[in-house]
Amino acid sequence: AQSVAQPEDQVNVAEGNPLTVKCTYSVSGNPYLFWYVQYPNRGLQFLLKYITGDNLVKGSYGFEAEFNKSQTSFHLKKPSALVSDSALYFCAVRVPVNRDDKIIFGKGTRLHILP
Amino acid sequence: AAGVIQSPRHLIKEKRETATLKCYPIPRHDTVYWYQQGPGQDPQFLISFYEKMQSDKGSIPDRFSAQQFSDYHSELNMSSLELGDSALYFCASSPDGRNYGYTFGSGTRLTVV
Repeated sequence: AQSVAQPEDQVNVAEGNPLTVKCTYSVSGNPYLFWYVQYPNRGLQFLLKYITGDNLVKGSYGFEAEFNKSQTSFHLKKPSALVSDSALYFCAVRVPVNRDDKIIFGKGTRLHILP
Repeated sequence: AAGVIQSPRHLIKEKRETATLKCYPIPRHDTVYWYQQGPGQDPQFLISFYEKMQSDKGSIPDRFSAQQFSDYHSELNMSSLELGDSALYFCASSPDGRNYGYTFGSGTRLTVV
C-alpha cells in the first residue's frame, strides 16, 4: 500500500538557519512526490513536485526538495528560514497507475521559525 | 489566475441536518477530488470524479454523496450530520495529466453543533 511518513510532528528552527522537513515514502512503481504548505485557516498550497529528472527540485518561496530513490526520501529544505515560513507542511505521493489515482498525504509537520 | 472556488466558506449545522458543499474547479480541469481534514489531522481522501463519473472512492461515509455536473462543478451532500463530521472539507481539481499536482480550494469549514 502507498504510504507517506513524516517522522517529525514539529520542527523548530531559528530564523536565518537552514531548515529540513523530512519525508519518506513507500510505493510500488515510480512515485510522483509533492510538498504542500498550509497556513492557519487556509487551503493547501502547492510548493513543489518531483516527477522525473534532476533529483533536486526547486519550488516556491525559496524551498527545494531532494529526491533520493535509494533512501525513498523527499526531504524539504530551505537554506535560510524566515518567520513567515511557519506553517504546516504536508508531503504527498501519487502513483499514476490508472485512472483512479489520488494523492496520499503524510501526517504533516508543523514548522516553527523562531525570531 | 483562476483558482478552485468552494462555497460556502463556513457552515454551521445542527446534528441530523443536511449540508451541501459546492466546488468549482479551475476551467478545463476535468477531475475533482474531495478531501476531509479533521482538527489536527492530515487530509483524508473522500471521493473523486473524472468527466462527471465517479472515478475513485475513499473513506466517504454512506451518509455522504457527491456528483459532478455537466459544467464540471461538484457538490458534496452530507445527510444526518454528526458531531464528528465537523472538519475542513477541501476540493481539488486537476487537468487530465499525470504530471500535475492538485490545486486546492480554500476549503469549507463545517461545524456541527
